Amino acid sequence: GQNIDQPTEMTATEGAIVQINCTYQTSGFNGLFWYQQHAGEAPTFLSYNVLDGLEEKGRFSSFLSRSKGYSYLLLKELQMKDSASYLCAVTPASYKLIFGSGTRLLVRP
Amino acid sequence: GAGVSQSPSNKVTEKGKDVELRCDPISGHTALYWYRQSLGQGLEFLIYFQGNSAPDKSGLPSDRFSAERTGGSVSTLTIQRTQQEDSAVYLCASSLTAYNSPLHFGNGTRLTVT
Repeated sequence: GQNIDQPTEMTATEGAIVQINCTYQTSGFNGLFWYQQHAGEAPTFLSYNVLDGLEEKGRFSSFLSRSKGYSYLLLKELQMKDSASYLCAVTPASYKLIFGSGTRLLVRP
Repeated sequence: GAGVSQSPSNKVTEKGKDVELRCDPISGHTALYWYRQSLGQGLEFLIYFQGNSAPDKSGLPSDRFSAERTGGSVSTLTIQRTQQEDSAVYLCASSLTAYNSPLHFGNGTRLTVT
């Protein structure tokens, strides 16, 4: 079966750094995606990792360790508009994208 | 350019009725996905189309659910004899290819079964 785990909720302070973890157990692996979803809106693409290591994109970075079945999304210099759900998704061998339940991030002033 | 378009944006139906949800993917995208999202929950995979290959229907929750994609473009998700537990937001997404391409989501259809 396919299993993707993320914390349900996190809270952080404006200007701080937050790390959202994701662990997965899937039948095969072809890549891992992170999406952002604001309440009432569609998910939007943030990052993609297929090889081990860190991918940096402005304030957002994503890390992958395939041997550990582990990824994290790092958000720096948090802003109020970063309050959203962050979805970890994995493409297993069959190429359909399987999503975790998402982590709801609340950024406080 | 135009993004993924879904219609209707909202649908209220009575239990037992059939509904059809439509998705227009981004032109040139070969992969098309349907997901369902219940309030406060993650995205539940329903079905996936890739080019002319047979669709992956492994996520459809029951035989009341079916989907087709005509001409490799527009897709319709049909739910027959709707039940209250079918109430959710149905999201369609497309991507350039099936492999390592990010999904572009439509704004979804919010289905309410009364």
